[in-house]
Amino acid sequence: DAGVTQSPTHLIKTRGQHVTLRCSPISGHKSVSWYQQVLGQGPQFIFQYYEKEERGRGNFPDRFSARQFPNYSSELNVNALLLGDSALYLCASSLTEWVIGSPLHFGNGTRLTVT
Amino acid sequence: KQEVTQIPAALSVPEGENLVLNCSFTDSAIYNLQWFRQDPGKGLTSLLLIQSSQREQTSGRLNASLDKSSGRSTLYIAASQPGDSATYLCAVRRDTGFQKLVFGTGTRLLVSP
Repeated sequence: DAGVTQSPTHLIKTRGQHVTLRCSPISGHKSVSWYQQVLGQGPQFIFQYYEKEERGRGNFPDRFSARQFPNYSSELNVNALLLGDSALYLCASSLTEWVIGSPLHFGNGTRLTVT
Repeated sequence: KQEVTQIPAALSVPEGENLVLNCSFTDSAIYNLQWFRQDPGKGLTSLLLIQSSQREQTSGRLNASLDKSSGRSTLYIAASQPGDSATYLCAVRRDTGFQKLVFGTGTRLLVSP
């Protein structure tokens, strides 16, 4: 079975531009979360979506938005890019919210560089 | 606010050694704790998940323990191998429904042949 897949793998953008990152969860997984990992730090939570509804949002500005589609795939959008948005963006999926012991499975991420 | 700390930040050992990685968290009201491995430039691979009601979990050469009351977890790696070289991250989750994980900054492990 395919794991969590993210596209693109690498992306270079200029300050002020907009970017869309995509994530396909493991088949059957209904919950998708997004994390930002700056070099040398642990991942920081951005969003969680479950059944197409936002379940939670981390401490990120409104320039960051996301959505989940009927097939449970997800997009993360970032507007008005800043140099500080350069990071590895990770997507994670899990079976449901409520299954005890349901771990998060992460994709390989999208490396975003803002110049 | 939950804070997660991992000690040491980096560790270098010769092949074959047993080693312990430490993770501490400030708020003991957690739902579970998960250990991950991250290879350079890659995503996270889940190693072990411990529910708050559990004391430890084992998978192969890996053993993770959890002492919720003291806010500590350890990851024990037996008979380390060069292929174990990676960054190890621990993360805690507070709620059953809300899947926000709070991560530590990781321990970078290098196992030399």
